[in-house]
Amino acid sequence: NAGVTQTPKFQVLKTGQSMTLQCAQDMNHEYMSWYRQDPGMGLRLIHYSVGAGITDQGEVPNGYNVSRSTTEDFPLRLLSAAPSQTSVYFCASTPSRGSSYNEQFFGPGTRLTVL
Amino acid sequence: KNEVEQSPQNLTAQEGEFITINCSYSVGISALHWLQQHPGGGIVSLFMLSSGKKKHGRLIATINIQEKHSSLHITASHPRDSAVYICAAGGTSYGKLTFGQGTILTVHP
Repeated sequence: NAGVTQTPKFQVLKTGQSMTLQCAQDMNHEYMSWYRQDPGMGLRLIHYSVGAGITDQGEVPNGYNVSRSTTEDFPLRLLSAAPSQTSVYFCASTPSRGSSYNEQFFGPGTRLTVL
Repeated sequence: KNEVEQSPQNLTAQEGEFITINCSYSVGISALHWLQQHPGGGIVSLFMLSSGKKKHGRLIATINIQEKHSSLHITASHPRDSAVYICAAGGTSYGKLTFGQGTILTVHP
């Protein structure tokens, strides 16, 4: 298994540009999530999905869209990039619904800079 | 005040020392997670626990539910243990974790 994969690893955008961060997992996990990590702050939840076709907002959803058309893929879209979205983005998945007592598997991260 | 607080924020040790990182949380939880992030970014899960104690190699994690406190211990520390250690409280809502800010550990040879 490849686990959780993310592309690209690095990206530089100009203010106002849009882009999609890709996330895929091959473990048949139901739950997937997107986090951002900023210096001096803990990981913060952007959006999450409890299964194909079901998504919901996390702590910091503004400026981001998600969709979950398949179990495997959970892309994160930046609609109009802003410098405040400069961050490292992590995708994670966990095996099943029910509780948070499940190991989270993280992707390698995408380092995004918005100029 | 953050819902999950770790201490210390930075920790420097000499190889072989016993290390303790603390995590206090104010939210109700179903599980407490300890994660490790090496320079370069990858995050891996070390432990999940809802009671008592777990051990894996030189790492030991404990939790006291009544006091809302968890500790991560590293025995006989080694430079390869240098990383950021993150605790995260898993609430009763599925999958939602609240993360601490992380503890930067540097172990010198």
